[in-house]
Amino acid sequence: DIQMTQSPSSLSASVGDRVTITCRASQSISTFLNWYQQKPGRAPKLLIYAASSLPGGVPSRFSGRGSGTDFSLTINSLQPEDFASYYCQQSYSPPHTFGQGTKLEIK
Amino acid sequence: QVQLQEAGPGLVRPSETLSLTCSVSGGSMTSYYWTWIRQSPGKGLEWIGYIYNSGATNYSPSLKSRVTISGDTSKNHFSLTLRYVTAADTAIYYCARGDTGLLDALDIWGQGTMVTVSS
Repeated sequence: DIQMTQSPSSLSASVGDRVTITCRASQSISTFLNWYQQKPGRAPKLLIYAASSLPGGVPSRFSGRGSGTDFSLTINSLQPEDFASYYCQQSYSPPHTFGQGTKLEIK
Repeated sequence: QVQLQEAGPGLVRPSETLSLTCSVSGGSMTSYYWTWIRQSPGKGLEWIGYIYNSGATNYSPSLKSRVTISGDTSKNHFSLTLRYVTAADTAIYYCARGDTGLLDALDIWGQGTMVTVSS
């Protein structure tokens, strides 16, 4: 199985800040890397696919980059609605494993 | 607009079988990976497995001996069966659609259904 390691596991930030979450794969996954946002009591929502592509409706303050084994999710100018948990997932090879998650909290 | 809806019992006895169904509305089931994911209380997401075009399946190695995913494109639903459940299987179970056009990212999710394993 491909292991996905996210860091940090939690993060405190203020509205307007820029934050970056990283995700490392245990082997190369090309750009088969996805990011999801999950708010309490809600299902996860696809935020970024193929490492850097945004689905329609996702604000442009979210961006992703990386290929191979190292990836990052950056949120520019944090908004109140961005405080949530974030998960990376590889879809390169089954099982399509998730990272352990990053909880983004308001400072 | 495609929507997914999970259904099944909220309580299952230990050692029995958990059965859930995901109904797909608003679109075809063809050429997508229909996936099950679960989330134990307060924990992260765990990929369970998928079925593709009501045929090919792939399961998490940790659950493979106990899980079956099946699909019926004519009825627009797919199902999860998990045998010999224990308290460790208590979780919210989500169904989701994996889109090959998005490098298999899970672009549509059901709202999730909570399953508790308890006597």
